[in-house]
Amino acid sequence: GAVVSQHPSWVICKSGTSVKIECRSLDFQATTMFWYRQFPKQSLMLMATSNEGSKATYEQGVEKDKFLINHASLTLSTLTVTSAHPEDSSFYICSARHSGTGGRIQYFGAGTRLSVL
Amino acid sequence: AQTVTQSQPEMSVQEAETVTLSCTYDTSESDYYLFWYKQPPSRQMILVIRQEAYKQQNATENRFSVNFQKAAKSFSLKISDSQLGDAAMYFCAYRSPGTASKLTFGTGTRLQVTL
Repeated sequence: GAVVSQHPSWVICKSGTSVKIECRSLDFQATTMFWYRQFPKQSLMLMATSNEGSKATYEQGVEKDKFLINHASLTLSTLTVTSAHPEDSSFYICSARHSGTGGRIQYFGAGTRLSVL
Repeated sequence: AQTVTQSQPEMSVQEAETVTLSCTYDTSESDYYLFWYKQPPSRQMILVIRQEAYKQQNATENRFSVNFQKAAKSFSLKISDSQLGDAAMYFCAYRSPGTASKLTFGTGTRLQVTL
């Protein structure tokens, strides 16, 4: 099946620093990518929808200046957590919608565990 | 807005037995997609099976099948011949048609597989 690569898988950073997470669709094009946040033992919470070449659409309550999303190509989207604080510690998951399937199928990356000290 | 409900926080099944996970949803749309995703301890989300609402035939993927009841807005997942590797969190998800539409997830069901 299609592969979505997410990097890094785990990052530890100091409070106040910024962290960038990459999401790549390795063998397909994705005009639309999604970023989720998942708290322990909970479901996935959509943070934003990322469309190639345009600004991301953020869900209500998600600070767009804190969670910067860039979708510069059909295979790469990045999430930058700016001025990270301990409350930003979480599991972040990206997902890419396979353009070749008419957008019907969405594949997920393996996630990034962010720990802010 | 659409909602997805998984009423079983945890389920347990013996190896080689069959288990059914429940999912109901609420929508006013007539065309949509339904999915079951599996999240094992590695936390990698894996697509298990999908169903298009316009198709009356229930989807099947090897040991996994669904019982799609459109009128009842029910979409249950049946796992036959359960294996230890099936132990995971299972999420039911709904999506409207359209490239910009979003997945709406249920709260998940944790499946344990015992010997």
